[in-house]
Amino acid sequence: NAGVTQTPKFQVLKTGQSMTLQCAQDMNHNSMYWYRQDPGMGLRLIYYSASEGTTDKGEVPNGYNVSRLNKREFSLRLESAAPSQTSVYFCASSRGLGDDQPQHFGDGTRLSIL
Amino acid sequence: QKEVEQNSGPLSVPEGAIASLNCTYSDRGSQSFFWYRQYSGKSPELIMFIYSNGDKEDGRFTAQLNKASQYVSLLIRDSQPSDSATYLCAVNMRVAGAGSYQLTFGKGTKLSVIP
Repeated sequence: NAGVTQTPKFQVLKTGQSMTLQCAQDMNHNSMYWYRQDPGMGLRLIYYSASEGTTDKGEVPNGYNVSRLNKREFSLRLESAAPSQTSVYFCASSRGLGDDQPQHFGDGTRLSIL
Repeated sequence: QKEVEQNSGPLSVPEGAIASLNCTYSDRGSQSFFWYRQYSGKSPELIMFIYSNGDKEDGRFTAQLNKASQYVSLLIRDSQPSDSATYLCAVNMRVAGAGSYQLTFGKGTKLSVIP
């Protein structure tokens, strides 16, 4: 009963390095999301994918790219990491973008940029 | 700017008491509302959702919605120390010009249940 699986769980990067956060869901959901959570800022949407083959910007997309690899997988890439991107990153999924669809979250990736 | 507002707390209640968590939202057209619980260092966990005005009960939890006042609340009866967590209110709000919805989260209320 995995639900939404994120890898890695922890990562430390140096400024300027790149990395990709992986997310996979086994609930046959159509829509997937990437959020970041910072103290005092709450959860902020970075990018989302309404369905396989589509991606859209959320509230804070700058410095990130995403790929919806297939229905199950949605990755988030930091091309040139900056200390301001130190955060906890959550992937979530839902059946669709309809107004009655709850989102289910993965366990998060704790990312530190030095 | 579409917003979801919560009192950050901390809200402290004694064990066995009723904890009342409140949330207001700015988009009058919102139709679906969610409460998530987040333990320290963990991910948000869905505990309740409500779509219609009135009350919805699930065990010790009751969600209350008043769309006219743009207000949603969560009551936790017989509060237990294990209920100590941050509670996030989330509202599905329309994205202007896109025909879709985006879940907007409040910053959360930290609840502490004192044994």
